[in-house]
Amino acid sequence: NAGVMQNPRHLVRRRGQEARLRCSPMKGHSHVYWYRQLPEEGLKFMVYLQKENIIDESGMPKERFSAEFPKEGPSILRIQQVVRGDSAAYFCASSLQPGRHGYTFGSGTRLTVV
Amino acid sequence: QQQVKQSPQSLIVQKGGISIINCAYENTAFDYFPWYQQFPGKGPALLIAIRPDVSEKKEGRFTISFNKSAKQFSLHIMDSQPGDSATYFCAASMNNDKIIFGKGTRLHILP
Repeated sequence: NAGVMQNPRHLVRRRGQEARLRCSPMKGHSHVYWYRQLPEEGLKFMVYLQKENIIDESGMPKERFSAEFPKEGPSILRIQQVVRGDSAAYFCASSLQPGRHGYTFGSGTRLTVV
Repeated sequence: QQQVKQSPQSLIVQKGGISIINCAYENTAFDYFPWYQQFPGKGPALLIAIRPDVSEKKEGRFTISFNKSAKQFSLHIMDSQPGDSATYFCAASMNNDKIIFGKGTRLHILP
């Protein structure tokens, strides 16, 4: 029973390029959450998706960031025209039901913008 | 605005000692308070969780103490071991909504 799978584990992008991060939730989980972790900043919520729907994107920057969770395939977090400040660890979590029963996190994608 | 405030930022404890991490919250609508443990290079993993209708929950060496009137809760790790060295996050959520995390406590247990 595979856990939450994130890939790539490490991603290096030059300023101005696009970064695409993928997250496959646990089998049977239809709720996906993306978080960003910066040193000394903890985990900051970005977006909550269910299949084909964005439920809460209150933590997403207004520009350059987008997320999707299609009917088939993994959830994708896309960052366009990356800047140095986008360098961080991005974690995806999934749950069977929203909120109260806790999440299962993936091991994250560490994005470095050079 | 930080909804869950965690302290200390880092903590060093002797092997066999008690590690205590504290959290405070403002929003009384929160109804679920989990703690997560994160090892370097890994994602956070759910350690233990509590709801506001109980004052204490214990699982093995890990105990959550919850003070609803003070809007505070804490994690106690008894008989701390070097393998407990990790970053710990307190968190909160409400109404089946997203989980909001504190900034984390980096715990180091001296062998």
